[in-house]
Amino acid sequence: GAGVSQSPSNKVTEKGKDVELRCDPISGHTALYWYRQSLGQGLEFLIYFQGNSAPDKSGLPSDRFSAERTGGSVSTLTIQRTQQEDSAVYLCASSLATYRGGGAFFGQGTRLTVV
Amino acid sequence: RKEVEQDPGPFNVPEGATVAFNCTYSNSASQSFFWYRQDCRKEPKLLMSVYSSGNEDGRFTAQLNRASQYISLLIRDSKLSDSATYLCVVNMGYGGSQGNLIFGKGTKLSVKP
Repeated sequence: GAGVSQSPSNKVTEKGKDVELRCDPISGHTALYWYRQSLGQGLEFLIYFQGNSAPDKSGLPSDRFSAERTGGSVSTLTIQRTQQEDSAVYLCASSLATYRGGGAFFGQGTRLTVV
Repeated sequence: RKEVEQDPGPFNVPEGATVAFNCTYSNSASQSFFWYRQDCRKEPKLLMSVYSSGNEDGRFTAQLNRASQYISLLIRDSKLSDSATYLCVVNMGYGGSQGNLIFGKGTKLSVKP
């Protein structure tokens, strides 16, 4: 498809387990963002990739969270030793690399539930 | 001061009403600005970009005031289908690079018949 694709769409995991969330951005988009959204709350920035530049990791809530982007395309967000407060919808977005490139487009998200 | 601030609402309006949303941002170096809408349990969707000259898309008009660090969205002749949360978004990029997108917490709109 032509849009941002995220997988899995839903993930239930036990507390303490590691999870990996995947994002396939729109082809040609060099900027990629990860956010999370808890029920009824706003979007919380996690990490931002732009081309070959060092990622902006300033939003990662703890060292249990990490992300990588291979070949400037697909990105994986990894949460180690999951906690119940990690339960949220994790949203990925991509955009063109120009500052007036028209904003970012989101995937449908991964709903993570830690039990 | 929060980076992007919006009135949380909710705004409850009848069909056909005109409704305005406001947003302020703290970083005077911000380069680009957007409005998104988010329906319940769905991902945010880009509604429109906001330019200094102001821009219009059908019933929607966006304005930017850089001096006051203020962004607005006006919806005319509101429809039931406009019911959603409207998110103000600011890009902290500089020059030709695109920086982080900062989202406001959103203003909830409910259009009633």
